[in-house]
Amino acid sequence: GDSVTQMEGPVTLSEEAFLTINCTYTATGYPSLFWYVQYPGEGLQLLLKATKADDKGSNKGFEATYRKETTSFHLEKGSVQVSDSAVYFCAPRFNKFYFGSGTKLNVKP
Amino acid sequence: NAGVTQTPKFQVLKTGQSMTLQCAQDMNHEYMSWYRQDPGMGLRLIHYSVGAGITDQGEVPNGYNVSRSTTEDFPLRLLSAAPSQTSVYFCASSSVGLGTEAFFGQGTRLTVV
Repeated sequence: GDSVTQMEGPVTLSEEAFLTINCTYTATGYPSLFWYVQYPGEGLQLLLKATKADDKGSNKGFEATYRKETTSFHLEKGSVQVSDSAVYFCAPRFNKFYFGSGTKLNVKP
Repeated sequence: NAGVTQTPKFQVLKTGQSMTLQCAQDMNHEYMSWYRQDPGMGLRLIHYSVGAGITDQGEVPNGYNVSRSTTEDFPLRLLSAAPSQTSVYFCASSSVGLGTEAFFGQGTRLTVV
């Protein structure tokens, strides 16, 4: 069936380090792909999305590319900031949304 | 621009009590859903709806009921609260188009003692 696997956390980085959070999915079709971010005490909010193969979503310095061949949608940022500390969720949408388990990112000054 | 509104924000229940978590959206979205978030478990889908009068179960529906009498509202009912239902609950809405994003409420933190 349809599912998503996301890199486990927590991930701890120093400010200005490079970030990668891995996300892969299994699907019988071609989902749209989303990354959501959750700041402490808040609900989830959309970070970026890609709706078809080879699309690149980007926002706030974060990027992710829809890789149909490897069924992946890895999140990257070239230089993280303390303010990026949050929980990140990968979420393919088939008919319903499927959410990964979340990856907590801690960025140290 | 209210978006998705959940009430209450916090609730403490005694075991066996019932209550309703409210969710309302003002974006005319067809699709609405309820999730629970537990530490280390991510988001798990409880129930969802693709339009007024249509509901379906998610992966953890036991102990919860829903109804969808209007497009705007999607309440979640706990029939007889149990400590295992202590969690943070999120309501979300979206259009039914595959490429459209979900909008989330701020969450309800429920403690069952």
